[in-house]
Amino acid sequence: DIHVTQSPSSMSASIGDRVTFSCRTSQSILKYLNWYQQKPGKTPKLLIYAASTLQDGVPSRFSGSGFGTDFTLTINGLQPDDFATYYCQQSFADPRGFGQGTNLEIK
Amino acid sequence: EVQLMQSGPEVTKPGESLKISCKASGYSFSTYWVGWVRQVSGKGLEWMGIIYPGDSDTRYSPSFQGQVTISADKSISTAYLQWDGLTASDTAVYYCARQEDIVAPFDYWGQGTPVIVSS
Repeated sequence: DIHVTQSPSSMSASIGDRVTFSCRTSQSILKYLNWYQQKPGKTPKLLIYAASTLQDGVPSRFSGSGFGTDFTLTINGLQPDDFATYYCQQSFADPRGFGQGTNLEIK
Repeated sequence: EVQLMQSGPEVTKPGESLKISCKASGYSFSTYWVGWVRQVSGKGLEWMGIIYPGDSDTRYSPSFQGQVTISADKSISTAYLQWDGLTASDTAVYYCARQEDIVAPFDYWGQGTPVIVSS
């Protein structure tokens, strides 16, 4: 199985900050890394797929990068609506598992 | 409009069987994969498996292989997740989600089905 590791497990930031989330996989997954946002009690929402492609309707302050085993999600200019848990997922090979998530809290 | 409508909350007892559903609309059900994701309260997302309704190709996570059965009925655009012999550790919210091809992300999600297993 491909292991997916996110760091940190939680972080705090202020409105307007630039924040980055890290996701690493135990073997190369080429570009097949996806990012989701989940708020408490809500369904996960796709933000970015194939490492860097923004899903329709997602604000441009979200961006993704990486290839192979190391990937990053960046939010430029945090907004109040962005405080949530963020998950990465590899879709390269079965089982197409998720990282453990990063909880973003207000500082 | 793409929609995945899941069946309602379930409260069951250990050892019982259960089948929950995910009815798709707004797209060609047979030509997209449907996956199932588990989320235990306060925990992360766990990928359980996926099915391609067109030919019933089904893939399972080793963590769930033999514990659940994923199926689909393309005549009514519905995917299913089934247990034969629930345990308390199956208590969770279960989401279905659609993906366009085998390497695509889950782009549309159902609303989730809470399952509580308690004696």
